[in-house]
Amino acid sequence: KAGVTQTPRYLIKTRGQQVTLSCSPISGHRSVSWYQQTPGQGLQFLFEYFSETQRNKGNFPGRFSGRQFSNSRSEMNVSTLELGDSALYLCASSLRLAGSSYNEQFFGPGTRLTVL
Amino acid sequence: DAKTTQPNSMESNEEEPVHLPCNHSTISGTDYIHWYRQLPSQGPEYVIHGLTSNVNNRMASLAIAEDRKSSTLILHRATLRDAAVYYCILRDGGNQGGKLIFGQGTELSVKP
Repeated sequence: KAGVTQTPRYLIKTRGQQVTLSCSPISGHRSVSWYQQTPGQGLQFLFEYFSETQRNKGNFPGRFSGRQFSNSRSEMNVSTLELGDSALYLCASSLRLAGSSYNEQFFGPGTRLTVL
Repeated sequence: DAKTTQPNSMESNEEEPVHLPCNHSTISGTDYIHWYRQLPSQGPEYVIHGLTSNVNNRMASLAIAEDRKSSTLILHRATLRDAAVYYCILRDGGNQGGKLIFGQGTELSVKP
C-alpha cells in the first residue's frame, strides 16, 4: 500500500507570493491533517479535513487555508508569504474511525518551504 | 488540551534498554497516552498508545503509572535506528479527529 505522498518536496518562494502544497493520503483514508514544523516552534497543528469539511483548526492566521477533494486528496494554501513561514509542512492521513481510540496518523515526508 | 513534559534529550548505548519518561499530571479520565517518534528527515510515526494498563507491541512497551500522571516508553534493546525524537501526546478518547498536540519531545541518541 502506498504511503502518504506530498508534492512538491522542496519549494522556494519570495515574500508576498502565495503557495499551494498537495497531499495524497493512503488509499481509504478520509482524514487529512496538516502540520507546520520549525526549529523554534516545533510541530504545530494547522487543520484537519474529513469528508471535504474542515473539522479542526489550529491557531494560525487566515493566510493559511486548505481544502479537501472528493477523492480525499488535500491542498494547503498560504497567501502573502512571510519569512517566518519557512518550515517543513507535513500532512498526515488516518481512517478516523468512530469509536476508536487508535486512529493512527500516518505522516508523509513533508514539503520543505523556503521563503526568501 | 492536557500538557506533557519530557526531558529534552537522552542517551543510550546500542542493545541496551531505554526508558523514556513523560509527565502528564493534568491528564483527564478520557485521555489516552500516545507516543510517536520522528526519525531524522522523516515525518513522525506512531509507536504505541494506552489508557490505563501497560501495553506491548513489536516496537516498544508502554508503562503507565497507577495514578496515570506519568508514563514511560520502553525500548527493550535500542538500535542505531531508534535514534529519533520521541513525543508523548495525550488524546481525548472522545475525539476521533486528526489533531495531535506535539510538545518538544525527547531527542534520543544511541551510541554504538
